[in-house]
Amino acid sequence: GQNIDQPTEMTATEGAIVQINCTYQTSGFNGLFWYQQHAGEAPTFLSYNVLDGLEEKGRFSSFLSRSKGYSYLLLKELQMKDSASYLCAAPNRDDKIIFGKGTRLHILP
Amino acid sequence: DTGVSQNPRHKITKRGQNVTFRCDPISEHNRLYWYRQTLGQGPEFLTYFQNEAQLEKSRLLSDRFSAERPKGSFSTLEIQRTEQGDSAMYLCASSSDSSSYNSPLHFGNGTRLTVT
Repeated sequence: GQNIDQPTEMTATEGAIVQINCTYQTSGFNGLFWYQQHAGEAPTFLSYNVLDGLEEKGRFSSFLSRSKGYSYLLLKELQMKDSASYLCAAPNRDDKIIFGKGTRLHILP
Repeated sequence: DTGVSQNPRHKITKRGQNVTFRCDPISEHNRLYWYRQTLGQGPEFLTYFQNEAQLEKSRLLSDRFSAERPKGSFSTLEIQRTEQGDSAMYLCASSSDSSSYNSPLHFGNGTRLTVT
């Protein structure tokens, strides 16, 4: 089966760095996604990792370790607009995509 | 490309009534997914399609839920004999054939169902 775990909530300060962790179990690994979801809005795509290592995209980076079933999303130079839920999602070999419960990130001024 | 479109945006219904939601995916996308999301939770998988074929339906879903994608384009999700526990946001998403950096899920804005 599939299982995805991530922290429920995190708090960080504007301008700081925060790391949101995700552990997963899937039947047939087929990459790992991160999505951002602001309150009342649809999720939007942030990143996709299929190989081990760090993928950097501006202020956001995502890391994957397939052997450990572990990923993290790193947000740098936090801005107030980064206050949102961050969703970890993993497709299995049949592209059934399962989401974690999401991590609500609160940014303090 | 106008993105994924869902209708209606909001639906209020009385317990016991049937409701139907519609999703129009991005035109070139073969995969279509339905999720349900409640406050403070991540999207919960309901079902998905490859063209018109329904690939899997969540075991969490009762027989009151059914989804179709008759011509491999738009999809409908029907809930029969609604219950208060069905109140949630119903999200539709589409993608190309296989998951990749170039083919993430594109979500619609959802249909918010309230069962009174």
